[in-house]
Amino acid sequence: DAGVTQSPTHLIKTRGQQVTLRCSPKSGHDTVSWYQQALGQGPQFIFQYYEEEERQRGNFPDRFSGHQFPNYSSELNVNALLLGDSALYLCASSFLPGGYMNTEAFFGQGTRLTVV
Amino acid sequence: AQKVTQAQTEISVVEKEDVTLDCVYETRDTTYYLFWYKQPPSGELVFLIRRNSFDEQNEISGRYSWNFQKSTSSFNFTITASQVVDSAVYFCALSGLGGTSYGKLTFGQGTILTVHP
Repeated sequence: DAGVTQSPTHLIKTRGQQVTLRCSPKSGHDTVSWYQQALGQGPQFIFQYYEEEERQRGNFPDRFSGHQFPNYSSELNVNALLLGDSALYLCASSFLPGGYMNTEAFFGQGTRLTVV
Repeated sequence: AQKVTQAQTEISVVEKEDVTLDCVYETRDTTYYLFWYKQPPSGELVFLIRRNSFDEQNEISGRYSWNFQKSTSSFNFTITASQVVDSAVYFCALSGLGGTSYGKLTFGQGTILTVHP
């Protein structure tokens, strides 16, 4: 059973560019959340997608946007990249039957984004 | 607003020593979940335990044990007889069950644990 998979694993972009990160959830999971983890910090919640809609959002600017597809996979898009966007981006999937999170979130290995 | 504080930035022990990682949290939610995750150098966050706010029983799983005290808003994690393979960054996290805190994890800053042979 494949866990959460993210692509690419590493990425280098230039300031001002746009980037798209991808996530495939664990089999049977219907909810995807994205987190940003700066070096030496704990992960920070960006947003969560359920039934193809954004249902929760953290304190991130509109430059951060996302999408969830019918197969539950998800994309994270970041526009107008800043040097401060350099971080490890983690995707987590979970299963929310009836709207209650009764399973732990499984995390992928992340995408290491470097903005130069 | 939710907040998780892990006061210990780094801990260094020698193999076979016991080590306790501290976690203190703040939340206005009456029901919530608490978690511990382990992050090895590969970067993936590995789930260790989830505890809901109604269950204050301590839990032991092999060499791991957790002490949840709602009165002091603490959820500490102890590794008994530590091993080199336990070296990693450990995160405590909190998730509410209602409103804007629902379904999202608030993490502490993490504690870097190094176990020396």
